[in-house]
Amino acid sequence: GAVVSQHPSWVICKSGTSVKIECRSLDFQATTMFWYRQFPKQSLMLMATSNEGSKATYEQGVEKDKFLINHASLTLSTLTVTSAHPEDSSFYICSARTLNEQFFGPGTRLTVL
Amino acid sequence: QKEVEQNSGPLSVPEGAIASLNCTYSDRVSQSFFWYRQYSGKSPELIMSIYSNGDKEDGRFTAQLNKASQYVSLLIRDSQPSDSATYLCAVRGPLSNYQLIWGAGTKLIIKP
Repeated sequence: GAVVSQHPSWVICKSGTSVKIECRSLDFQATTMFWYRQFPKQSLMLMATSNEGSKATYEQGVEKDKFLINHASLTLSTLTVTSAHPEDSSFYICSARTLNEQFFGPGTRLTVL
Repeated sequence: QKEVEQNSGPLSVPEGAIASLNCTYSDRVSQSFFWYRQYSGKSPELIMSIYSNGDKEDGRFTAQLNKASQYVSLLIRDSQPSDSATYLCAVRGPLSNYQLIWGAGTKLIIKP
């Protein structure tokens, strides 16, 4: 149980384009989902907390107009990186909360050319 | 500022031995504690959660929590090369929106 999927697993895009990443909880309903970013050899960095049916809460320094989060249902949250630039290239990982534990999706590796 | 501290390592342990990973946290009112394993290039995987003082065992893994001393540890018995990974300690306080405070992780290397 507690399986979280992410799609796509990797994406390469041109600078200036937008990329949407989907995060789904497959066998449970997730009231809260989290979006993280991780650069090579660095720690996880929480970007935002997403509650179903309400606006996401962004961490300090994360541009909410650049990283659009939609948590429309208890099993789906999406992150859209708008007008992506090479510095946005990173490993984006979502997690979903079930009761007291967080389970991670497999991550999406974004490369912006 | 709430912090979670881990030795970055690498911690090198011979195959078959016990690997001991430690974590300290600063927020005394923290209530939930987690160990995640992260292989290179992969996302974190939950190994253990512990909520009360003492030991919690699951297979080869034992989590130990000491709230008075504000530390939590993970023991891996009969270490295998496949246990080589970065181990992340995470702590959740009682008032947060289930957000976790993360340690930087300890890189563990099991030598055959």
